[in-house]
Amino acid sequence: DAKTTQPPSMDCAEGRAANLPCNHSTISGNEYVYWYRQIHSQGPQYIIHGLKNNETNEMASLIITEDRKSSTLILPHATLRDTAVYYCIVRAKNSGNTPLVFGKGTRLSVIA
Amino acid sequence: KAGVTQTPRYLIKTRGQQVTLSCSPISGHRSVSWYQQTPGQGLQFLFEYFSETQRNKGNFPGRFSGRQFSNSRSEMNVSTLELGDSALYLCASSLAGTGGPQETQYFGPGTRLLVL
Repeated sequence: DAKTTQPPSMDCAEGRAANLPCNHSTISGNEYVYWYRQIHSQGPQYIIHGLKNNETNEMASLIITEDRKSSTLILPHATLRDTAVYYCIVRAKNSGNTPLVFGKGTRLSVIA
Repeated sequence: KAGVTQTPRYLIKTRGQQVTLSCSPISGHRSVSWYQQTPGQGLQFLFEYFSETQRNKGNFPGRFSGRQFSNSRSEMNVSTLELGDSALYLCASSLAGTGGPQETQYFGPGTRLLVL
């Protein structure tokens, strides 16, 4: 079972920041938080991951709370092409061949 | 660098037939995982291969099998197809399958299988 909880859906106005929350209250010390997104009928796309520090790349920022029980993915300037299902996944560091466990994710709709 | 490629992209089969799907990982990646995605069950792990060996397997019947070749390319096979096997089959590759930050899995576009 997925170890994360996400809202089923969110809307965001185009050009505004999209803030997608994720609860992972049972996360353990060796588990990373990964974010993927899936645009309709395509393969999931890796976005970002982090352990305990905030992370930023060209796609998004990841803010992890100090207690690591929740995190927020931030798309700073959402565009229509960011409309997708966003998955938050916790995965152990040095997990070897442990598979990704996908929950239902958050369906983000970016509105013009 | 080219991404993960999967062939064919679309496939229509009838019940009882078998099907083989192919996945070419990112160059240099040695671990290949397969997932099934259906509207009802979401994304579910099928199996993972590394160095031509199956290292992990999900909760799927024996009709689902796979293999990996020495060049890391992988195939999965489904025998005696059932209507419920209609799904998007996704392949993901990662560098060495040893975990850690470098072990991000990158997905291909998927093969959409329709069983009639």
